[in-house]
Amino acid sequence: IAGITQAPTSQILAAGRRMTLRCTQDMRHNAMYWYRQDLGLGLRLIHYSNTAGTTGKGEVPDGYSVSRANTDDFPLTLASAVPSQTSVYFCASSEDNSYNEQFFGPGTRLTVL
Amino acid sequence: GQNIDQPTEMTATEGAIVQINCTYQTSGFNGLFWYQQHAGEAPTFLSYNVLDGLEEKGRFSSFLSRSKGYSYLLLKELQMKDSASYLCAVRDSNYQLIWGAGTKLIIKP
Repeated sequence: IAGITQAPTSQILAAGRRMTLRCTQDMRHNAMYWYRQDLGLGLRLIHYSNTAGTTGKGEVPDGYSVSRANTDDFPLTLASAVPSQTSVYFCASSEDNSYNEQFFGPGTRLTVL
Repeated sequence: GQNIDQPTEMTATEGAIVQINCTYQTSGFNGLFWYQQHAGEAPTFLSYNVLDGLEEKGRFSSFLSRSKGYSYLLLKELQMKDSASYLCAVRDSNYQLIWGAGTKLIIKP
């Protein structure tokens, strides 16, 4: 089934621990994105990648890192989790970064204690 | 700074029509998107406007006025399944999406 998958679905994490959120798409989209969604706030872009091998910083990149080794995968890593990183994380992709709509994965609900 | 404003919550009756407004101030403009998000689920694409005017797609229509920095989403013949949050997003000069906080639409029988 074409689309975007994310793992895990949810996670409770102790502060200070390292965590990688996984994202895979099978639509051969060039551009991929990581957002966080917090109650009362709009989706905020963390990092993006316009094509395999390149990444860029979004609005709220601090404390997060990404890599884009191939077209399909775009993992997000929290090097040392803090409670303020408690959020719902969505991965998205689009054909390119111009005018195309973005398709979203089901999200990862992360709680940092 | 960049800002997208939309009402926090709206209530409407099944079978009626509702208009959800969105105003924006962004650094550049490369199109405006509307997404639907049911509780606990991912956002899904509804519509895209880049030129002024009305785009109609079934029961949903979206309007854009670039000079006024204004858009609305019009939902007709409301159904209970339309209960969701509706997100307005503008693509800025860097081709990144700037998102509003969303409008929670409650449909009553």
